[in-house]
Amino acid sequence: DIQMTQSPSSLSASVGDRITITCRASQDINNYLVWVQQKPGKAPKSLIYAASSLQSGVPSRFSGGGSGTDFTLTISNLQPEDFATYYCQQYNRYPYTFGQGTKLEIK
Amino acid sequence: QVQLVESGGGVVQPGRSLRLSCAASGFTFSSYAMHWVRQAPGKGLEWVAIISSDASKKYYVDSVKGRFTISRDDSKNTLYLQMNSLRVEDTAVYYCAKSDFSGREDYWGQGTLVTVSS
Repeated sequence: DIQMTQSPSSLSASVGDRITITCRASQDINNYLVWVQQKPGKAPKSLIYAASSLQSGVPSRFSGGGSGTDFTLTISNLQPEDFATYYCQQYNRYPYTFGQGTKLEIK
Repeated sequence: QVQLVESGGGVVQPGRSLRLSCAASGFTFSSYAMHWVRQAPGKGLEWVAIISSDASKKYYVDSVKGRFTISRDDSKNTLYLQMNSLRVEDTAVYYCAKSDFSGREDYWGQGTLVTVSS
């Protein structure tokens, strides 16, 4: 199975900050990578697909980058509603696998 | 708009069975693959299974192979997950998700909680 490793596991930031979360795959996943956001008690929400394409309706302050095995999620100008847990997931090969998550908290 | 509504969760004893359903609306259900993803209490997300649009292909995570079966009824716009020989470690919120044509989940339901406990 492809292992997905996210860092950091948790992150404190302030409204208005710019933050970056990284995700590393154990092998080349051909940019078949998504980022999802999850708030407590809620369903996941798709943010980014194909490593850098923005899901419809997602604010442009979210951006994805990277290729091969190393990927990033950047959130610019953090808003109060952005404080949540973020997961990367590869969909290049079955079984699909998620990173362990990054919890973004308000400083 | 895409709507996915899961049902069928509950408390069940280890070794017993449960069937989850996911009612879909707002898109042409028969044209899309569908997923199940789960989340144990306080833990991360785990992909469970996928079924192709024509139900000819099904893939599972190793931990549920031979115990869980994904299926669909396009006449009812409904996705199912038959869970047999349930274990304590199957306790989780189970989400269904619609697939886009590249295979990724693009829309998610609100989830249904399955608790396996004696």
